[in-house]
Amino acid sequence: ETGVTQSPTHLIKTRGQQVTLRCSSQSGHNTVSWYQQALGQGPQFIFQYYREEENGRGNFPPRFSGLQFPNYSSELNVNALELDDSALYLCASSPGLAGAVLDEQFFGPGTRLTVL
Amino acid sequence: EDKVVQSPLSLVVHEGDTVTLNCSYEVTNFRSLLWYKQEKKAPTFLFMLTSSGIEKKSGRLSSILDKKELFSILNITATQTGDSAVYLCAVGGPYGQNFVFGPGTRLSVLP
Repeated sequence: ETGVTQSPTHLIKTRGQQVTLRCSSQSGHNTVSWYQQALGQGPQFIFQYYREEENGRGNFPPRFSGLQFPNYSSELNVNALELDDSALYLCASSPGLAGAVLDEQFFGPGTRLTVL
Repeated sequence: EDKVVQSPLSLVVHEGDTVTLNCSYEVTNFRSLLWYKQEKKAPTFLFMLTSSGIEKKSGRLSSILDKKELFSILNITATQTGDSAVYLCAVGGPYGQNFVFGPGTRLSVLP
């Protein structure tokens, strides 16, 4: 148990819809990162937030957006869903600003999104 | 473009065997290399390596980094069925914003 939770566990949407995924980090963890993991592949970095500000972004289009809240929770929003968005979405939190402290990321159990 | 390659992609062994998993990388600014074990969903942390030549051990697992040749290995001795999982290698840059993951090695340990 890493103390990082995600909701919902599973989600089915249709193409063109919008979705919001949620993550609750460990208390005191100021950094949260989101990853997309397609079946049979390693996680791909979407973006990272530190103290409610975006702190880095991977190669994902603007329809992937996020928010981080003062209570250590965060959201991943995806607009105009496409079939290729079907994947496991993982969030990971770490105590400090990654880069200032060499600490590992603690992953949540993920949300499995299926787009039909 | 930053890249992490793992080999083999899949491996089947019997209990008691020793396995070596490989991870090579090309990243612009290396800071750390991490190994994770992923059984169902959440990857669980195994090791973080930042310095060459220093072996990290945890029970039957060990790992070492070679920053000159840009690779790391993860060894598992006396494998057990509970070691069956996908093992992920990730490399982080200087500011930690972007951990690049490899595709993983799927290890199956048969009784």
